Amino acid sequence: EDQVTQSPEALRLQEGESSSLNCSYTVSGLRGLFWYRQDPGKGPEFLFTLYSAGEEKEKERLKATLTKKESFLHITAPKPEDSATYLCAVSYNKLIFGAGTRLAVHP
Amino acid sequence: DTAVSQTPKYLVTQMGNDKSIKCEQNLGHDTMYWYKQDSKKFLKIMFSYNNKELIINETVPNRFSPKSPDKAHLNLHINSLELGDSAVYFCASSQGPETDTEAFFGQGTRLTVV
Repeated sequence: EDQVTQSPEALRLQEGESSSLNCSYTVSGLRGLFWYRQDPGKGPEFLFTLYSAGEEKEKERLKATLTKKESFLHITAPKPEDSATYLCAVSYNKLIFGAGTRLAVHP
Repeated sequence: DTAVSQTPKYLVTQMGNDKSIKCEQNLGHDTMYWYKQDSKKFLKIMFSYNNKELIINETVPNRFSPKSPDKAHLNLHINSLELGDSAVYFCASSQGPETDTEAFFGQGTRLTVV
C-alpha cells in the first residue's frame, strides 16, 4: 500500500538549534514530493517541490532534499516564527499526505 | 486578495441535516479539489475537478456531492450529516490536473456534527 510516513511526530527546538524532519515514502511512479507548512487554523502553504533524487531546494532557513525513498527538511537556526506543522506529500496520480511533524521553536 | 476562499469557516450542525460549503478561487486555475483533514491531521483527497469535470472521486460516501458551476467555483454538499463527518474540509486549486504542480489551499471549514 502506498504510504507516506513523517518523523518525528513532534519536535521541540530552542531558537537557533538546527534539526531535520524526515519524510519516507513507498510510492511507485513518484511524480513529485511536496513540502507544505500549516499554521493552526489555516490551510497548508506550499514550500517546495522536489522531482528527482539528489535534488535540493532552499528557502530562507529551510532546505529540502530528496533521495529515492525519503526526503529531509533541514531547518537551520530556527526562529519561533518557524513553529508550525510541516506536511510532506507525494504525488503519482493523486497527492498522498503524511500526518505531519509539529515543530515548536522556543526562544 | 484571498486566492482560495471557503465559506463558512465554522459550521456546527445536528446529525441528519444537509449542509453546503462553498469555495472560490481567483487564481485562474483549471483544477480544484476537496480534501478532508481528520482529527489525526491526515489530509485526504475527496474529489478533484478539472474544467468543471470530475476527475478524481475517492471512496467517499455518496452523501457527499461536489458541484462545479464554473472552473472558479467548487462547492461541497453533504446530505444526512453523521457524527463521523466532523472534520476540517479544505478546498484547493492548482494550474492543471497533473499532480506534480503545487496546490493552493483555502483556510478550511471546520465542520462539527452534534
